[in-house]
Amino acid sequence: QKEVEQDPGPLSVPEGAIVSLNCTYSNSAFQYFMWYRQYSRKGPELLMYTYSSGNKEDGRFTAQVDKSSKYISLFIRDSQPSDSATYLCAMSADNNDMRFGAGTRLTVKP
Amino acid sequence: DSGVTQTPKHLITATGQRVTLRCSPRSGDLSVYWYQQSLDQGLQFLIQYYNGEERAKGNILERFSAQQFPDLHSELNLSSLELGDSALYFCASSTSGSHSLEQFFGPGTRLTVL
Repeated sequence: QKEVEQDPGPLSVPEGAIVSLNCTYSNSAFQYFMWYRQYSRKGPELLMYTYSSGNKEDGRFTAQVDKSSKYISLFIRDSQPSDSATYLCAMSADNNDMRFGAGTRLTVKP
Repeated sequence: DSGVTQTPKHLITATGQRVTLRCSPRSGDLSVYWYQQSLDQGLQFLIQYYNGEERAKGNILERFSAQQFPDLHSELNLSSLELGDSALYFCASSTSGSHSLEQFFGPGTRLTVL
């Protein structure tokens, strides 16, 4: 079993839909949780990060962490075609050595 | 544009060969990280340098090595290449010496080993 599990998709939604992306993990020491977005032929870019449990909102994006279930989510409201990308979750126990999920490929259709 | 540059963009070589990938961090960033991204393994941290010194090591093979120069650019050397080394190699940079959560990634070098 991998430390971080993420469904690779692909996920296809119509424009304006709410998108839910998820990761599960097995290492209870993880306390830093990140979401990266990677466009085709580009490097990943940090979208959001949270420390420990709870929610964090930034515009149309909301990150949720449930440490008791070892489950993190990223919600995208009012999805746009420009949101089409691969989304990678990443986690770290002590601010060292991030572990990444496999990435979920999202397509938002106009 | 993250401000991190990587050369070359593409590299095609044969098994057994040696290649060098180059990275220039964002202006002012002292840390450089190297990652490998393959279809079956995802994005994996290889190694970090901070201001010329090795700071952290991840899943880096003994056939691979890296260094950071006084001007802060970094090189990743891959030797005795195998087919399985074909992947995207990303460099990232940050201001911090600790394994910063906020890393800025370059566009990557696509390595194909034939």
